[in-house]
Amino acid sequence: NAGVTQTPKFQVLKTGQSMTLQCAQDMNHEYMSWYRQDPGMGLRLIHYSVGAGITDQGEVPNGYNVSRSTTEDFPLRLLSAAPSQTSVYFCASSYGRGAADTQYFGPGTRLTVL
Amino acid sequence: AQSVTQLDSHVSVSEGTPVLLRCNYSSSYSPSLFWYVQHPNKGLQLLLKYTSAATLVKGINGFEAEFKKSETSFHLTKPSAHMSDAAEYFCVVTGPSGYSTLTFGKGTMLLVSP
Repeated sequence: NAGVTQTPKFQVLKTGQSMTLQCAQDMNHEYMSWYRQDPGMGLRLIHYSVGAGITDQGEVPNGYNVSRSTTEDFPLRLLSAAPSQTSVYFCASSYGRGAADTQYFGPGTRLTVL
Repeated sequence: AQSVTQLDSHVSVSEGTPVLLRCNYSSSYSPSLFWYVQHPNKGLQLLLKYTSAATLVKGINGFEAEFKKSETSFHLTKPSAHMSDAAEYFCVVTGPSGYSTLTFGKGTMLLVSP
């Protein structure tokens, strides 16, 4: 199993550009989520999904969109990048439909917005 | 509402000495609690979790944590630090959306000197 994979590993954007961060898992996990990690802030939840076709907002959803058309994939879209979105983004998945199960994290995407 | 406070942003120990990383939480219901570890430039990995069974929880690599409801604490300990324990540690609680989301503490950086 590859586990949770994220692409790209690094990305530089200009203000106003849009892009999609990819996240895929091959463990048939129902629950998937996106976090951003900023220095001294821990991880903050952006969006999550409890199964294909079901998504919900987390703590910091503004400026981001998600969809879950398959169990395996959970892409995160930045609609119009802003410098405040410079961060490290982590995708995670777990077996059940809740966050209390063990979360498996991807390696992260480091995004810089100029 | 759920919140997590990690009482130290940095902890320094010598190799072979005990480790104590402190975490207090608040929750409006009986939460699940976790400790995750992040080694430099890596994703996060579960160390241990409390889900209302035994209050003393044993995790990987010799770590353990004790859930104390009266003190609303979930401190992480290890009897003897190893150089490979140097990493950032996150205390995590389920919520605010019940067991569907997680709230992370801001993290404690553990430094281990020879």
